[in-house]
Amino acid sequence: DAGVIQSPRHEVTEMGQEVTLRCKPISGHNSLFWYRQTMMRGLELLIYFNNNVPIDDSGMPEDRFSAKMPNASFSTLKIQPSEPRDSAVYFCASSDVGQDSYEQYFGPGTRLTVT
Amino acid sequence: RKEVEQDPGPFNVPEGATVAFNCTYSNSASQSFFWYRQDCRKEPKLLMSVYSSGNEDGRFTAQLNRASQYISLLIRDSKLSDSATYLCVVLLVRNSGNTPLVFGKGTRLSVIA
Repeated sequence: DAGVIQSPRHEVTEMGQEVTLRCKPISGHNSLFWYRQTMMRGLELLIYFNNNVPIDDSGMPEDRFSAKMPNASFSTLKIQPSEPRDSAVYFCASSDVGQDSYEQYFGPGTRLTVT
Repeated sequence: RKEVEQDPGPFNVPEGATVAFNCTYSNSASQSFFWYRQDCRKEPKLLMSVYSSGNEDGRFTAQLNRASQYISLLIRDSKLSDSATYLCVVLLVRNSGNTPLVFGKGTRLSVIA
């Protein structure tokens, strides 16, 4: 079975550019989560969706960040304009809450560097 | 106070040693607890859930003390392959459709030959 798929795996961009990160959750999972991980702050939840609906975006740092989930098999996280402090590893995770299991399955992450 | 606190380590132990990690959480309404493992430059993966009665999976034992809001992970007979960062994870609200997990910053373990 394919796990959570993220693209690109690495992204290097210049300050001010738009960055779009993509995620395909595990088929059948009804919840999707976007995280950001840095050495200083650890793993932070940015936003999560349940049945394609955003439930809580309080972790989104600024208006420069936006996320969408147009269907059950695809989500994007966009940063516009990007800044050097956005450099981090961005993980997407999915889970199937209905089975009373809260295990989240993480994708391999996108390592973003903003210069 | 941070919601989930862990000693960042690193813990450097020889092969065969027993090592224990501790974690405290601030929200007494927390419902479920987990340990995740994250290898260097990889994604976090579930290691084990933590139950009130304590649970064991091979060389790994997890304990929960709700009164003290304290979680522990014990690794016996450490292997080189146990080297990783161990993340303490807490589920704050158990409500259908709302499942935010809160991750600690992790404790780094290095097992040395």
